[in-house]
Amino acid sequence: KQEVTQIPAALSVPEGENLVLNCSFTDSAIYNLQWFRQDPGKGLTSLLLIQSSQREQTSGRLNASLDKSSGRSTLYIAASQPGDSATYLCAVISNQGGKLIFGQGTELSVKP
Amino acid sequence: NAGVMQNPRHLVRRRGQEARLRCSPMKGHSHVYWYRQLPEEGLKFMVYLQKENIIDESGMPKERFSAEFPKEGPSILRIQQVVRGDSAAYFCASSPVISAPASSYNEQFFGPGTRLTVL
Repeated sequence: KQEVTQIPAALSVPEGENLVLNCSFTDSAIYNLQWFRQDPGKGLTSLLLIQSSQREQTSGRLNASLDKSSGRSTLYIAASQPGDSATYLCAVISNQGGKLIFGQGTELSVKP
Repeated sequence: NAGVMQNPRHLVRRRGQEARLRCSPMKGHSHVYWYRQLPEEGLKFMVYLQKENIIDESGMPKERFSAEFPKEGPSILRIQQVVRGDSAAYFCASSPVISAPASSYNEQFFGPGTRLTVL
């Protein structure tokens, strides 16, 4: 059974810092890994999608990497801003079908 | 191109009533997924549908919950005889037709969610 874990559960950093969020999954047979952002009381915004054949994806200040063999992904946020404060969710689609299996999320707070 | 739409955004029901949650996928998307986020818990998969077809309902509670995605109109998640434990945020996501190769499942786009409160 696929399980997704995110560390840390919460993170507080001063504005301008570079930071790394971690995601691990127990079954390396995945098709996609997606990183999302969720603001309090809101829906999910897709940030980056990495297909199983890819090693990383970049969008602006965000870079996500994928190491299938070790069951790990990282989301790197460069030059963090207060507007980056949100919960970041990692999710995988396994070979069991099209459903996303989510981690518990990392709650990020960027202080001005 | 409008995103995934869900309505209502907030729904209040008394115990024993029925709740109907609607989801209109993005234009051109024929796959719909429902997820539930219980308070202080992560997002959990409930059901995966295509038009007129349930593909995977492994996350649906066995009783009181049902889902459909008719040929015309939105997808509906129906909860009969609601209980307080059903209070949660229910999210719908959609993705386009699965493109070849079949192993590359497409990105899912989420709606704003329906927050159900059961009194």
